[in-house]
Amino acid sequence: GAGVSQSPRYKVAKRGQDVALRCDPISGHVSLFWYQQALGQGPEFLTYFQNEAQLDKSGLPSDRFFAERPEGSVSTLKIQRTQQEDSAVYLCASSPVTASNEKLFFGSGTQLSVL
Amino acid sequence: AQSVTQPDIHITVSEGASLELRCNYSYGATPYLFWYVQSPGQGLQLLLKYFSGDTLVQGIKGFEAEFKRSQSSFNLRKPSVHWSDAAEYFCAVGLFSGGYNKLIFGAGTRLAVHP
Repeated sequence: GAGVSQSPRYKVAKRGQDVALRCDPISGHVSLFWYQQALGQGPEFLTYFQNEAQLDKSGLPSDRFFAERPEGSVSTLKIQRTQQEDSAVYLCASSPVTASNEKLFFGSGTQLSVL
Repeated sequence: AQSVTQPDIHITVSEGASLELRCNYSYGATPYLFWYVQSPGQGLQLLLKYFSGDTLVQGIKGFEAEFKRSQSSFNLRKPSVHWSDAAEYFCAVGLFSGGYNKLIFGAGTRLAVHP
C-alpha cells in the first residue's frame, strides 16, 4: 500500500505479557515517529528515528518500552511486562524529510488493551 | 514548558453553520503550529500549518486558521460545516530540536454535526 501500515490493528494483552507492535513506513521515508494516544487525549511523543538511528527516546515512559528500526525501514515498538496504564492507541508516522512536518504521514494505529 | 490547550472537549454544530475551534499554546519562540483531523479508525490528517508570514492560513476541506501572537492562539475556522466534518480535531505545536520536528498535541476537540 501507499500509506503507513501498522499491525496488529488491535491487541489485547494480559497484564505482565510482552507485546510487539509493528510499523511499516512509506518506502524511502527517512523519519519515523512513535506516539502514544491515551483515551480522550492527544497523541504524546514517544521516540524518533532517522533511518536506523534512534535520535530521541525521551518520551518513552519507562524502561519497559523499547523501539528499534534496525534496517531503517520497518520499526517495532516493544512493551515488556505490560501494565493497565499502557492501554492506548500507538501511532506511527513517517516522513521523507527530517526538518519539517509538512509531509508527515500517520498510520491508523494499534489499539492496545491490557487486561 | 511547551504546551497546547484546547478548551473545548466537545462541540456540536448544525450542518451549514460556522465553526471555530479554539487553540492556545505556550512556547518560548515563534511556533510552528498545526491542525490535524482524526476520523474514527483513521490516522491523523494534516489540515493546515503555520510557519511564518501571513497569519491567516488556508488549509484543505475549506478550513482556515489565524495565528495571533498577542493571544497565543491559533483558532481553526470553517464558514459552513458539512456532516462529513464530524471528527476529532487536534492542534499541535512543532518543537524543532536537533534537526527534526516533534509535535506536542492538545487533548483534542470532538466535533459533532447535526443535520
